[in-house]
Amino acid sequence: DAGVTQSPTHLIKTRGQQVTLRCSPKSGHDTVSWYQQALGQGPQFIFQYYEEEERQRGNFPDRFSGHQFPNYSSELNVNALLLGDSALYLCASSLGQGDQPQHFGDGTRLSIL
Amino acid sequence: GESVGLHLPTLSVQEGDNSIINCAYSNSASDYFIWYKQESGKGPQFIIDIRSNMDKRQGQRVTVLLNKTVKHLSLQIAATQPGDSAVYFCAGWEGGSYIPTFGRGTSLIVHP
Repeated sequence: DAGVTQSPTHLIKTRGQQVTLRCSPKSGHDTVSWYQQALGQGPQFIFQYYEEEERQRGNFPDRFSGHQFPNYSSELNVNALLLGDSALYLCASSLGQGDQPQHFGDGTRLSIL
Repeated sequence: GESVGLHLPTLSVQEGDNSIINCAYSNSASDYFIWYKQESGKGPQFIIDIRSNMDKRQGQRVTVLLNKTVKHLSLQIAATQPGDSAVYFCAGWEGGSYIPTFGRGTSLIVHP
């Protein structure tokens, strides 16, 4: 039973570039949430996707966007990268929306130069 | 909005001791909580959850206690092992919300 998988594991970009991160949810899960985790901090909620729609969004600018595919996998896109976007980006999956147990992948470490 | 925080940034214990990690929350409407363990270079791992209609829930070597009166929850780890060394986060959801709030985390260090 595969857990949540994310790709790539590490990525280096420069300011102004765009990036796409990918996530495959745990088998049987239909909801995907994305988080940003700065060093030494807890994860910060970016948004959640269910039924291929963004259902809820945290306090992140429109530069952050996403998509969910019919197979429940998801992408996180970030445009016009800033130095402050350097972080660990985590994907979590769950069955159903809202307050359900979320299971995380090991994240993508994004570094902006 | 919800604010969830942890009392101690670092907790050092000896192998075999019991560990207690605490978490306070500010929003009395929060009704669902999860404890996560995050090892270096990995994503948070689900440990145990609890809803506000419960005061206590037990798992394997772990117990979560919820005190709604003082808006506090704790994670107790029995017979702590070196493999328990990690950062522990609590996360809280307000009823019906999709957005959890995570605390900053407590680093648990287990000395053999």
